[in-house]
Amino acid sequence: GDSVTQMEGPVTLSEEAFLTINCTYTATGYPSLFWYVQYPGEGLQLLLKATKADDKGSNKGFEATYRKETTSFHLEKGSVQVSDSAVYFCALSRYFGNEKLTFGTGTRLTIIP
Amino acid sequence: EAGVVQSPRYKIIEKKQPVAFWCNPISGHNTLYWYLQNLGQGPELLIRYENEEAVDDSQLPKDRFSAERLKGVDSTLKIQPAELGDSAVYLCASSLDSPTSGSSYNEQFFGPGTRLTVL
Repeated sequence: GDSVTQMEGPVTLSEEAFLTINCTYTATGYPSLFWYVQYPGEGLQLLLKATKADDKGSNKGFEATYRKETTSFHLEKGSVQVSDSAVYFCALSRYFGNEKLTFGTGTRLTIIP
Repeated sequence: EAGVVQSPRYKIIEKKQPVAFWCNPISGHNTLYWYLQNLGQGPELLIRYENEEAVDDSQLPKDRFSAERLKGVDSTLKIQPAELGDSAVYLCASSLDSPTSGSSYNEQFFGPGTRLTVL
């Protein structure tokens, strides 16, 4: 079945450092890929998405590119801020989001000033 | 626009007791999801509704879990009786699934969740 393997955390970085959180997936066909973020005390929020190979999703300085050849969707940000501290989840959906989402285990990111 | 509302936010019960969670989706959203999130894990789908119909309940433990979505709006998820292993966060999400969406994306919006502790 479908699965998402996510870089294990927690990850601690200094402010303005470069961030990479790895995500690989297993799925048949052409799934849509997502990064969700969960800030303390809040619900999951969609951070960015990509629905076909070579698409790049971007939002709030974060980027991820859908790489079908490596079945990956790594999350990157060039300069992290304290406000980026949260738990990040990689996820896939077989179709366009209105089917179930299959999530990775999440990566807790802490940014220290 | 109000987001997905869930109540209660926290619930502590003793094992073998019943418990119910309530979800009010975003107005107009016809698809509703219940996810289970265990500590340190990603959410896993329990059940998905399209309007009043449960179209995917394959992961719902039907011996003790039940759900309903009357009138295709609010939804209730129930556990009876609760077990220690049911301690987790129960998330509700909703999306607008248009019959003509075709290649468009239907984002799922999540509520804050209900944290259940079974003692």
